[in-house]
Amino acid sequence: GAGVSQTPSNKVTEKGKYVELRCDPISGHTALYWYRQSLGQGPEFLIYFQGTGAADDSGLPNDRFFAVRPEGSVSTLKIQRTERGDSAVYLCASSLGSSGGTDTQYFGPGTRLTVL
Amino acid sequence: DQQVKQNSPSLSVQEGRISILNCDYTNSMFDYFLWYKKYPAEGPTFLISISSIKDKNEDGRFTVFLNKSAKHLSLHIVPSQPGDSAVYFCAAKNFGNEKLTFGTGTRLTIIP
Repeated sequence: GAGVSQTPSNKVTEKGKYVELRCDPISGHTALYWYRQSLGQGPEFLIYFQGTGAADDSGLPNDRFFAVRPEGSVSTLKIQRTERGDSAVYLCASSLGSSGGTDTQYFGPGTRLTVL
Repeated sequence: DQQVKQNSPSLSVQEGRISILNCDYTNSMFDYFLWYKKYPAEGPTFLISISSIKDKNEDGRFTVFLNKSAKHLSLHIVPSQPGDSAVYFCAAKNFGNEKLTFGTGTRLTIIP
């Protein structure tokens, strides 16, 4: 079956511009996650959705970052007034959303964002 | 602060030998640990996990060991194969929280 897909695969923008990054989770997965990976670092948690609602957004760095998942499937990460420090690979993951704490997160290939 | 640490940025191992990747954590609330493998231009792929109630979990060539008192876990790959060459990330979470905390990764190179 299809895995997690993310579009675009690469995005180059100028400082100050607005960008949207899209994630299509695995069909049937109710939980969706966004992570950010900077060069030489591991993925860093941004936000987690259970269904349509953001269950944990504690990783969003500031109010320029916002994410939505209006129908409980596709999610969009939105970044306003981009800064050069936002340059990173943005990873999306999804999971079944089952309880018990051992839900496996399956990652997409990521969107490489470059802010010039 | 780095709650999950992988102190070896890289490791080279001869094909057929054992690869041992190490990971340390500082947060005693972590009770579930995972290893992910990442190839270039791909997302991380889940490899194996272990709950804090166990000290070992095995899946084919991959075994994860957990030493709770030392807050240390390791991934053993035996025998190592060329396709194992990738970056390996250790990750941790606690059952009440879905977010994963990752280490910085170890690049494993298997030498034919």
